[in-house]
Amino acid sequence: EAAVTQSPRNKVAVTGGKVTLSCNQTNNHNNMYWYRQDTGHGLRLIHYSYGAGSTEKGDIPDGYKASRPSQENFSLILELATPSQTSVYFCASGDDSQAPLFGEGTRLSVL
Amino acid sequence: GDSVIQMQGQVTLSENDFLFINCTYSTTGYPTLFWYVQYSGEGPQLLLQVTTANNKGSSRGFEATYDKGTTSFHLQKTSVQEIDSAVYYCAMRDWTGGYKVVFGSGTRLLVSP
Repeated sequence: EAAVTQSPRNKVAVTGGKVTLSCNQTNNHNNMYWYRQDTGHGLRLIHYSYGAGSTEKGDIPDGYKASRPSQENFSLILELATPSQTSVYFCASGDDSQAPLFGEGTRLSVL
Repeated sequence: GDSVIQMQGQVTLSENDFLFINCTYSTTGYPTLFWYVQYSGEGPQLLLQVTTANNKGSSRGFEATYDKGTTSFHLQKTSVQEIDSAVYYCAMRDWTGGYKVVFGSGTRLLVSP
C-alpha cells in the first residue's frame, strides 16, 4: 500500500537549534515535496525534489534546507530554528501520473 | 509565477445544501488541477483531479471542472452531508514550472445537521 511516513510526529525545539524532519516513501515516486501549513496560508511549498540527489527551492525556502539522499528519503533541515518556523510540516510524494500523496504531518514548536 | 487563489475561507451550510467552491489559477503552461480534502488531525488526501479543460472529474459525489478561458476551476456537490465537514484545497501542477505543485489557502466547510 502506498505510504508516506514522517518522523518525528511532534517536535519541540529551542531557538537557534538544529532541527531535521524526515520523510520516507515506499511508492517509488520520483517527486517529493515539503510544505508547511499555517492558518490563513494553507499549504506553502518549501522545497521539492524530482529524484535522488536533486533539491529545488519552492515558494518559501528561506531558513530551510533539503536533502534527498535516495529515492525513498527526503529531509527538511532547519539549521537555526526560529519561533516563526513553528508550524505543521507535511511531506508528500508523487510522479508524472500520480497526484502528491501526503504523510500525516509533523507538528513543530520552536520555543 | 504559478499561483492558485482560493477566496472563500469558510463556507457554512446545512445538510442537503448545494456546495460550490471556486479557485482561480495563474500559469503560462498546461496545468493539471486537483482538489484535496483534509480532515482534522490528518494529512490532505486527493479528492479528484482534472487534467483537461472542460472535462469533469468526480469522486464521492463531488464534481470538478476547469475553465481555461476564465482560468478558474471549481468543486461542487449537490447535497452535502455533515461528514463532508473538512478543509478543501485546490492545487495545481504545471510542467512548465518543473514538478511544483502549489496549493490555495483552503476553504473550511462546516455542515450542520
